[in-house]
Amino acid sequence: AQSVTQLDSQVPVFEEAPVELRCNYSSSVSVYLFWYVQYPNQGLQLLLKYLSGSTLVESINGFEAEFNKSQTSFHLRKPSVHISDTAEYFCAVSPRNTGKLIFGQGTTLQVKP
Amino acid sequence: DGGITQSPKYLFRKEGQNVTLSCEQNLNHDAMYWYRQDPGQGLRLIYYSQIVNDFQKGDIAEGYSVSREKKESFPLTVTSAQKNPTAFYLCASSIGSYSNTEAFFGQGTRLTVV
Repeated sequence: AQSVTQLDSQVPVFEEAPVELRCNYSSSVSVYLFWYVQYPNQGLQLLLKYLSGSTLVESINGFEAEFNKSQTSFHLRKPSVHISDTAEYFCAVSPRNTGKLIFGQGTTLQVKP
Repeated sequence: DGGITQSPKYLFRKEGQNVTLSCEQNLNHDAMYWYRQDPGQGLRLIYYSQIVNDFQKGDIAEGYSVSREKKESFPLTVTSAQKNPTAFYLCASSIGSYSNTEAFFGQGTRLTVV
């Protein structure tokens, strides 16, 4: 069985400060890893994904995440956040060749001016 | 525009009634999913379908039913057997459940029992 733990339910941060949203997972099989973002009353949008290759993956809006196999982590980082980054962020894993997506509980990022 | 359309956006149901949530996609995706979202619990998988005329139970299927008669449609029925149906429901699709591509989500339906 697989599980995903997002270690912080809420992360308040000031605008232009760096941020890290933590995600740990457990799985007995290889997995793909994803970060999704959700704005209020909307569906989820893919932020970035790790499938294979380089352990550091980046999104077009400045977020990055690093796959750490030994620590079974996939933390999301951004060096300088904007007010518009305020949203809920979900980490997810997909066991290979199953298509199932298993989500963490979500982390609310609150960017303050 | 290609995408996933969920309707209605808001839905109110009286206790004891069945209600059906619509999900349509024009992405030509084989796989479709239904998730339930509750505050602080993330998304939980209700049902998923890998191909037309086939579907499997997810982690919280009790009190729900689905059908997959057409590739583009995957409606979810919330039955009276679901004891706590008030939640935000999200439909998603992907190219194929054995693919490594991501899932695309609809805008969600918020169901409230009154």
